[in-house]
Amino acid sequence: GEDVEQSLFLSVREGDSSVINCTYTDSSSTYLYWYKQEPGAGLQLLTYIFSNMDMKQDQRLTVLLNKKDKHLSLRIADTQTGDSAIYFCAERPPREYGNKLVFGAGTILRVKS
Amino acid sequence: DTGVSQDPRHKITKRGQNVTFRCDPISEHNRLYWYRQTLGQGPEFLTYFQNEAQLEKSRLLSDRFSAERPKGSFSTLEIQRTEQGDSAMYLCASSLAVPGEQYFGPGTRLTVT
Repeated sequence: GEDVEQSLFLSVREGDSSVINCTYTDSSSTYLYWYKQEPGAGLQLLTYIFSNMDMKQDQRLTVLLNKKDKHLSLRIADTQTGDSAIYFCAERPPREYGNKLVFGAGTILRVKS
Repeated sequence: DTGVSQDPRHKITKRGQNVTFRCDPISEHNRLYWYRQTLGQGPEFLTYFQNEAQLEKSRLLSDRFSAERPKGSFSTLEIQRTEQGDSAMYLCASSLAVPGEQYFGPGTRLTVT
């Protein structure tokens, strides 16, 4: 089955690191994604990781993947007020299930100055 | 290219009316997706096109919904006899076949009164 779960809310102080967690159930998912959504806007692709990787770093963003536990995390270093948004984790099931993305419900990140 | 565009950005309609939304994907992308997002939830997959062929439809896509991509470029999503439960943000995304990451438009927010 396909199900992606995220914690609802995270509050951090400006300059601290943020860690947003996600668990997924389809162990055969090929890619896992992180998207950012600001109020009233569409989704912005932040980064993605292929399922045979453990870690990916892209500037302030670090993605960690634990396939055994089906756990994905996004770490944002030196969090800024502009990082306040909703962050969605998404998985892409194998091709035979189509090309859709399956999203979690999102984690609201609030950055306090 | 400025990314995926959607029109209109907002639509208010009375129950029972028909509405049509348009999506213009990133020009070289051959895949196009429609998702629906309700408040407090992540996007849910509706349907997917590869070029002009509609290859997958979700069970969420009732008989009142129809999507087309006549020339393999822009796409339209029509909802007939709208119901209050259709109120949501309708998101369009596009991608290349490989590597396949999806880029989203700003969405069309539909309110059915």
